[in-house]
Amino acid sequence: DIQMTQSPSTLSASVGDRVTITCRASQSISSWLAWYQQKPGKAPKLLIYMASSLESGVPSRFSGSGSGTEFTLTISSLQPDDFATYYCQQYNSYTSTFGQGTKVEIK
Amino acid sequence: EVQLVQSGAEVKKPGESLKISCKGSGYSFTTYWIGWVRQMPGKGLEWMGIIYPGDSDTRYSPSFQGQVTISADKSISTAYLQWSSLKASDTAMYYCARGPRRAVWGSYRCDHMDVWGKGTTVTVSS
Repeated sequence: DIQMTQSPSTLSASVGDRVTITCRASQSISSWLAWYQQKPGKAPKLLIYMASSLESGVPSRFSGSGSGTEFTLTISSLQPDDFATYYCQQYNSYTSTFGQGTKVEIK
Repeated sequence: EVQLVQSGAEVKKPGESLKISCKGSGYSFTTYWIGWVRQMPGKGLEWMGIIYPGDSDTRYSPSFQGQVTISADKSISTAYLQWSSLKASDTAMYYCARGPRRAVWGSYRCDHMDVWGKGTTVTVSS
């Protein structure tokens, strides 16, 4: 299985901050990476696919970049609605794996 | 509207069997993968496996192979996740999600998961 490692595990930030979350794959996954947002008690929501493609309806303050083994999710100006847990997912291989998650908390 | 509607919460005893469901609507059920994702209390997302209802191609994460069975009935646009003998450690929220199919060198992959069900809570306790 390809392992996905996110950092940091927890991030404290203020409204308006620029926030960056990193996801590293244990081997190259090309650009086959997605990012999801999950709020407590809710299902995950797709934000970004193919490393940098913004899902329809997702605010443009969210962006993704990277390829190979290192990827980032950036929120350009953190909004109150963005406090949540974020997960990366690789789908390069026959099976898929998620990162362990990054919780974005209010500072 | 594209939707995945999951069956209701379940409370079971260890050793019992269980089958939960995920019904798709608003799209062609046979042309997207359906995947299952586990989330144990307070923990992260775990990819369990997928099924392509069009031809019943099914894949499992090594962690879940032999522990659960994924199936689908395309005549009623419904996918299933089942256990033959539940354990307390199966207590979790289970999500189904839809994924596009991508051709790769004569085989197929499941891409990102773009539509999710609301989840089914499974509680296993004596």
